[in-house]
Amino acid sequence: GQQLNQSPQSMFIQEGEDVSMNCTSSSIFNTWLWYKQDPGEGPVLLIALYKAGELTSNGRLTAQFGITRKDSFLNISASIPSDVGIYFCAGPLPMGNQFYFGTGTSLTVIP
Amino acid sequence: KAGVTQTPRYLIKTRGQQVTLSCSPISGHRSVSWYQQTPGQGLQFLFEYFSETQRNKGNFPGRFSGRQFSNSRSEMNVSTLELGDSALYLCASSNIGGTEAFFGQGTRLTVV
Repeated sequence: GQQLNQSPQSMFIQEGEDVSMNCTSSSIFNTWLWYKQDPGEGPVLLIALYKAGELTSNGRLTAQFGITRKDSFLNISASIPSDVGIYFCAGPLPMGNQFYFGTGTSLTVIP
Repeated sequence: KAGVTQTPRYLIKTRGQQVTLSCSPISGHRSVSWYQQTPGQGLQFLFEYFSETQRNKGNFPGRFSGRQFSNSRSEMNVSTLELGDSALYLCASSNIGGTEAFFGQGTRLTVV
């Protein structure tokens, strides 16, 4: 099935730095989801976006639903070691209950 | 409210055997989806069940099958296991509107 394009694929940053990643699609989505996955665990939903242009925060995380509805962005401010993991974007098909997932951004935070 | 529960967490099987994985969705969620995750392929959609009916199926061979019970619990079965079936199998249940998916911790299957 379709996959969403995430970039960058991986990031190595110093603790305290801010992080930005994005997700693009050739199709329009009405919902954008951002997940974090720790090694060997299931993805955990961080933020859900429902409206074009919407900006939503969850602690140090901020995500935006792109105006074109074909992209979304996730920012992490003042990174800490526990931010390490793989971040996925996802969007549901129009009928719901089936989701396309991004290829993931692997984040490493260097203390 | 309990989350999505997958059992077992870890499995080791031999080539040619079959395996059954179980998933209990969040209470009230009627849709359950299964995904295979491998390092090189990312999250690959296997199938989705809603009210005991398979509604969507990904591009996997017939050795992969599933079912859903009247209480929304779902099982996934893989027959004639191959080495390439080694992966993390994730189950997700969706909210009523089908716009958010919530994952279990996964079952790590190793085929030797």
